[in-house]
Amino acid sequence: KAGVTQTPRYLIKTRGQQVTLSCSPISGHRSVSWYQQTPGQGLQFLFEYFSETQRNKGNFPGRFSGRQFSNSRSEMNVSTLELGDSALYLCASSPDLGYSGNTIYFGEGSWLTVV
Amino acid sequence: SQQGEEDPQALSIQEGENATMNCSYKTSINNLQWYRQNSGRGLVHLILIRSNEREKHSGRLRVTLDTSKKSSSLLITASRAADTASYFCATADRGSTLGRLYFGRGTQLTVWP
Repeated sequence: KAGVTQTPRYLIKTRGQQVTLSCSPISGHRSVSWYQQTPGQGLQFLFEYFSETQRNKGNFPGRFSGRQFSNSRSEMNVSTLELGDSALYLCASSPDLGYSGNTIYFGEGSWLTVV
Repeated sequence: SQQGEEDPQALSIQEGENATMNCSYKTSINNLQWYRQNSGRGLVHLILIRSNEREKHSGRLRVTLDTSKKSSSLLITASRAADTASYFCATADRGSTLGRLYFGRGTQLTVWP
């Protein structure tokens, strides 16, 4: 079974531009979450999607947005990029919302550098 | 902050020794998970322990959970150079969805051959 796939793996953008990152969850998984990892703030939750609906959102500005498609694939978008948005963006998937405590599985991440 | 805190921040040992990492958290949880991250890579799930469990084993890994002290420990026995990585604990709050995890800052483990 293929794991969580994130594209692109590396990208460089200029301040003020926007970026879209893509995530394909494990086959059969319907929940997708996004995290930002930086040396200063560590791993921080961005948002969580299930059945094309945003279920949870972290404490990030409105420049960060996401969506989920009917096939459970997800994209996140960051508009008006700032230098501080440089980070590793990680996507994770799980079969469901997991109230009972299932494992979530992470992809390899997308490295974003803003210059 | 609702993040967990790992202790120590960095740990350096020789191959064959045991490595113990601790994690403390602040809220009531559904479960606690440990992840490993090799430099610049994604997170690899190691083990999940539910709030009603006290100890769990997986291969060379042993995890304990003390909900009264809001703490957990990860023991890696007979460590290998390949265990060199950052280790994170992550908690899911009681009543929260699984995808919303709170991570600690991690322990950087270095195992010398």
